[in-house]
Amino acid sequence: AAGVIQSPRHLIKEKRETATLKCYPIPRHDTVYWYQQGPGQDPQFLISFYEKMQSDKGSIPDRFSAQQFSDYHSELNMSSLELGDSALYFCASSKRESGQYFGPGTRLTVT
Amino acid sequence: DAKTTQPPSMDCAEGRAANLPCNHSTISGNEYVYWYRQIHSQGPQYIIHGLKNNETNEMASLIITEDRKSSTLILPHATLRDTAVYYCIVRVATGTASKLTFGTGTRLQVTL
Repeated sequence: AAGVIQSPRHLIKEKRETATLKCYPIPRHDTVYWYQQGPGQDPQFLISFYEKMQSDKGSIPDRFSAQQFSDYHSELNMSSLELGDSALYFCASSKRESGQYFGPGTRLTVT
Repeated sequence: DAKTTQPPSMDCAEGRAANLPCNHSTISGNEYVYWYRQIHSQGPQYIIHGLKNNETNEMASLIITEDRKSSTLILPHATLRDTAVYYCIVRVATGTASKLTFGTGTRLQVTL
């Protein structure tokens, strides 16, 4: 079965640079979520989109923005990167109240 | 969303049933109990969810007490590949899907 696809899988950036993470949800899923997981921490919710509209917002820095496109894929844009942004970034998708299905994650390293 | 309490770690022998408890004493009537697990650095994996009836799927069974203040996830025949952090999450079911709030979870170690 098709799963959530995330790209790139690994990304290395320097401080103050920008990064764009992409997420392709499972076909026919209408909701996309982004989570951040720092080293040794539990996943933390950042933002979600339902039918291309922002649905919920968590502890997402103002330097980050995201959107969901007409084909339902989503992008997380991160600017003015800081060392503390180094983390695993997971995208998940769901169809209404079904369980959320997570992608393999993007490992972002900021140096 | 209601908070949950889980033991930080548990051990289980391979082939035996793993019973992972979760307390959610402040759960509301419209909140579901979800279970996810995360194998080291992989994306969290959905296991099962329920409202008040017991549920079973190909991965696990979920037993919810009658007062809904606690639940148990049962892996009937644990294998080494079930070693992971297991998260019990209580989540409001709304018109649009809502976020997952991960707690510290239970680190399950399956041993030979």
